[in-house]
Amino acid sequence: GIQVEQSPPDLILQEGANSTLRCNFSDSVNNLQWFHQNPWGQLINLFYIPSGTKQNGRLSATTVATERYSLLYISSSQTTDSGVYFCAVKGFQKLVFGTGTRLLVSP
Amino acid sequence: NAGVTQTPKFQVLKTGQSMTLQCAQDMNHNSMYWYRQDPGMGLRLIYYSASEGTTDKGEVPNGYNVSRLNKREFSLRLESAAPSQTSVYFCASSESGPYGYTFGSGTRLTVV
Repeated sequence: GIQVEQSPPDLILQEGANSTLRCNFSDSVNNLQWFHQNPWGQLINLFYIPSGTKQNGRLSATTVATERYSLLYISSSQTTDSGVYFCAVKGFQKLVFGTGTRLLVSP
Repeated sequence: NAGVTQTPKFQVLKTGQSMTLQCAQDMNHNSMYWYRQDPGMGLRLIYYSASEGTTDKGEVPNGYNVSRLNKREFSLRLESAAPSQTSVYFCASSESGPYGYTFGSGTRLTVV
């Protein structure tokens, strides 16, 4: 099945710093999403981005499907950005999750 | 508000007890899914239903059964709970094909 790898596994930032999270996947996909799981456990859909670039406020994402990776950019990080960021890709029928990047933004 | 609703939010079971987790979506999506999340791990698929009337096993189906009651509702049943089933359970829905998923807020289940 499809393998999804995320890096780095853990990231600690000072408030205001920028960061880049990476997601590599092993096969062609027709669906890629980025999720933020907040400290209360809620999964929040950030981007649906099977290819190209999207931006939403301080967050943006780029997927290069032909090279099988996606990047999530967080600019001017805030403490509320803390949590776990998951990349999930879909091949045939099911969405497969990476193990996530745990982000801690300190004031 | 449109979305995916799961009940209950928290549950404690004794080993051997049974229970059903409920999930309902109001977005008219065809496909629905049950995932579990264990500490330090991503989500793993238990069962999914590509459309009303169909269900299929995911990565970790053992110990679970599902029912797609209608287009809106997809339930997950634990017939005889085991401590290994202590986890956070998420329900999700999507349109058929390459579309994004919407997740419920999760059910935190503890089996003692």
